[in-house]
Amino acid sequence: EDQVTQSPEALRLQEGESSSLNCSYTVSGLRGLFWYRQDPGKGPEFLFTLYSAGEEKEKERLKATLTKKESFLHITAPKPEDSATYLCAVQAGGRGSTLGRLYFGRGTQLTVWP
Amino acid sequence: KAGVTQTPRYLIKTRGQQVTLSCSPISGHRSVSWYQQTPGQGLQFLFEYFSETQRNKGNFPGRFSGRQFSNSRSEMNVSTLELGDSALYLCASSSIRTFAYNEQFFGPGTRLTVL
Repeated sequence: EDQVTQSPEALRLQEGESSSLNCSYTVSGLRGLFWYRQDPGKGPEFLFTLYSAGEEKEKERLKATLTKKESFLHITAPKPEDSATYLCAVQAGGRGSTLGRLYFGRGTQLTVWP
Repeated sequence: KAGVTQTPRYLIKTRGQQVTLSCSPISGHRSVSWYQQTPGQGLQFLFEYFSETQRNKGNFPGRFSGRQFSNSRSEMNVSTLELGDSALYLCASSSIRTFAYNEQFFGPGTRLTVL
């Protein structure tokens, strides 16, 4: 069964304190791994796509990396406005899968305090 | 380019009623997927439509249904509402640019409350 697990569930950081969020997955034939940011009461906002082990993507203070079993979202010198829930999702290529279906983790709720 | 739009944004219904939610994808996107988000279960896949055809369906009862129109706009319907159907319903669209992977872009969601 395709599964996505994120850790930690919640993370509190002081402004400027760098850290990493983890997303581990077990899927049949990974096609793509996606990171989203979600603010309360809003839809997920697309951040990154990763699709091959060793790949890295960066955007401002965020950097996403991918291995064969997991992905990391590194947050460097975070600011209070980075506070949100970060969601990891995978697109599988196994039987019954289509490009329109994403399997989501439960997310990491990040709080950055001044 | 306008993003994914969903209407209505908020909805309050009572048990036993039915509801229809609407989603307009990003212009040029032909794939629309629907998800249910609850605090207990997180984001769960409902179904996906591409070129007016349902291509995939999640593990939800038959009370949940959907359709897609020729202009790629999509609707989902929930009949005989139950308290447990209270959730944020999210629509996502994608362009299917490649057959290797495909990015989905989400709308703001419809918050459904069942009393």
